[in-house]
Amino acid sequence: DMKVTQMPRYLIKRMGENVLLECGQDMSHETMYWYRQDPGLGLQLIYISYDVDSNSEGDIPKGYRVSRKKREHFSLILDSAKTNQTSVYFCASSSREGQNTLYFGAGTRLSVL
Amino acid sequence: QQQVRQSSQSLTVWEGETAILNCSYENSAFDYFPWYQQFPGEGPALLIAIRSVSDKKEDGRFTIFFNKREKNLSLHIKDSQPGDSATYFCAASAGDNRIFFGDGTQLVVKP
Repeated sequence: DMKVTQMPRYLIKRMGENVLLECGQDMSHETMYWYRQDPGLGLQLIYISYDVDSNSEGDIPKGYRVSRKKREHFSLILDSAKTNQTSVYFCASSSREGQNTLYFGAGTRLSVL
Repeated sequence: QQQVRQSSQSLTVWEGETAILNCSYENSAFDYFPWYQQFPGEGPALLIAIRSVSDKKEDGRFTIFFNKREKNLSLHIKDSQPGDSATYFCAASAGDNRIFFGDGTQLVVKP
């Protein structure tokens, strides 16, 4: 079963707290992504990972970092979360052979109060 | 500068009509153009895609028309159904792993 799983689905944090969003995929895809989605702004790429420990900044990396220690797992970390990081975060994966088809998780809705 | 632009934030059609969603892009190196469909509370999912060597791609009620010279494309949804109500993202890539998304068009199909 081809699946991208995100945990947790909903999260409420206070400003200044650390946040860990987790993503797993069962397709052995080399490439994984973190996006955030805000109303009217579409999908903005935060980070892209080409494989284990091979990560690159996307368009809006400031305030975020990532970790990929296993091919099937990709984490997004917010150190000292800010209110403007309230958003829906999507993880996705793709195969080098898959002609850029992205498989998305169901998203994590993060509220930073 | 936004790489992929969708001309409408929202579109409303009646059931049975053809919905037309428009998209344009900047980078001539883009050669792959997927459309993703997203329902509320879910992640986007690939709906249909076209490569720049083609000018039309059809899959059931969904058709992409592509104009390389004008750098635009459109998604036509024939015989629209209320179940087609969703947000549609136009996207583009140049053969690498970077995919650029438009801001999305929210389609509402009224019964």
